[in-house]
Amino acid sequence: SQTIHQWPATLVQPVGSPLSLECTVEGTSNPNLYWYRQAAGRGLQLLFYSIGIDQISSEVPQNLSASRPQDRQFILSSKKLLLSDSGFYLCAFSTDSGNTIYFGEGSWLTVV
Amino acid sequence: QKEVEQNSGPLSVPEGAIASLNCTYSDRVSQSFFWYRQYSGKSPELIMSIYSNGDKEDGRFTAQLNKASQYVSLLIRDSQPSDSATYLCAVRVKGTGFQKLVFGTGTRLLVSP
Repeated sequence: SQTIHQWPATLVQPVGSPLSLECTVEGTSNPNLYWYRQAAGRGLQLLFYSIGIDQISSEVPQNLSASRPQDRQFILSSKKLLLSDSGFYLCAFSTDSGNTIYFGEGSWLTVV
Repeated sequence: QKEVEQNSGPLSVPEGAIASLNCTYSDRVSQSFFWYRQYSGKSPELIMSIYSNGDKEDGRFTAQLNKASQYVSLLIRDSQPSDSATYLCAVRVKGTGFQKLVFGTGTRLLVSP
């Protein structure tokens, strides 16, 4: 079966510090991968999507970047966090044959 | 106009009642629609998808789609306190060379015992 895992589950980081969130998918090959952010009381915002290794598109200009070093690995990074980067970050995947997005467990980021 | 709109709620219903959750969308050519449930502090989980006009039933859940009115709804029969959560409507829209899933802000459902 297909599964997705992301970590860490929670982290508290000071302003200006770097960030790395990681996500891996199992049970399928060449998935479409996504990073979403959900700010408090707001909807899910698509940050990045990837249709293949080194094929990453950004939906909104921001302080974050994404990389896909392996087929089933997706990483969200920042060199210097801002207070406004706080939120709930969700990695997700879909398959070529499927139309549905499935989410990982999520990562709570608090920038202080 | 937002691409996907939902009433934020909360929608309060007594246990055993039918909960009706509504969603409207702006992109007339959208073909795929989804309902996700999100418990507080957790990630969204898929409840149902619907692609054709009409009703689609899965257990206590029924999704309804009306493309002419650009309207999709979710009915929950025999509501249980465990159904208390935020329900997210999602619509697949065409982006620049890519079809992306756009989410509404969600409707919070409270089912009282």
